[in-house]
Amino acid sequence: KQEVTQIPAALSVPEGENLVLNCSFTDSAIYNLQWFRQDPGKGLTSLLLIQSSQREQTSGRLNASLDKSSGRSTLYIAASQPGDSATYLCAVSSNTGKLIFGQGTTLQVKP
Amino acid sequence: DAGVTQSPTHLIKTRGQQVTLRCSPKSGHDTVSWYQQALGQGPQFIFQYYEEEERQRGNFPDRFSGHQFPNYSSELNVNALLLGDSALYLCASSLLGAQDYEQYFGPGTRLTVT
Repeated sequence: KQEVTQIPAALSVPEGENLVLNCSFTDSAIYNLQWFRQDPGKGLTSLLLIQSSQREQTSGRLNASLDKSSGRSTLYIAASQPGDSATYLCAVSSNTGKLIFGQGTTLQVKP
Repeated sequence: DAGVTQSPTHLIKTRGQQVTLRCSPKSGHDTVSWYQQALGQGPQFIFQYYEEEERQRGNFPDRFSGHQFPNYSSELNVNALLLGDSALYLCASSLLGAQDYEQYFGPGTRLTVT
């Protein structure tokens, strides 16, 4: 049974810091991995999708990496800003499109 | 291009009642999935619809049922509501057969059961 774990559960950093969020999964037979952002009480915004054959994806200040063999992904946020404060969710997908989520990392960036 | 839309935004129901939530997928998408997100938790997969059929289902009781219409929109029905059904219900759409199978989420419906 696939399980997804995110560490840390919460993180507070000063503005301008670079930071790394971690995601691990127990079954390496994934189709893709998505990172989402969720603002309080809102829906999910897709940040990055990494297909199983890829090692990383970049969008602006965000970089996500994938190591299937070790069951790990990281989301790197460069030069953090207060507007980055949100919950970040990692989810792995089977080839049927079913997503299995971690519990998220809640990030606070202080001005 | 409209993204995924859901209605209503918020809903308050009493234990034992029934509720219907609605979702319209992103233009061009044919597959709709529903997720339940309890406070402080990651979303949990309820079921997925494609070609008006339930394609796969998560670990949810039969009180949770759904439907997909010919225009790909979908409904989630929950019968005999329990206090534990209070959650944010999220709809996601995708295109079956797309290379990356990316899921796009709507804003959610907040259900409160009292």
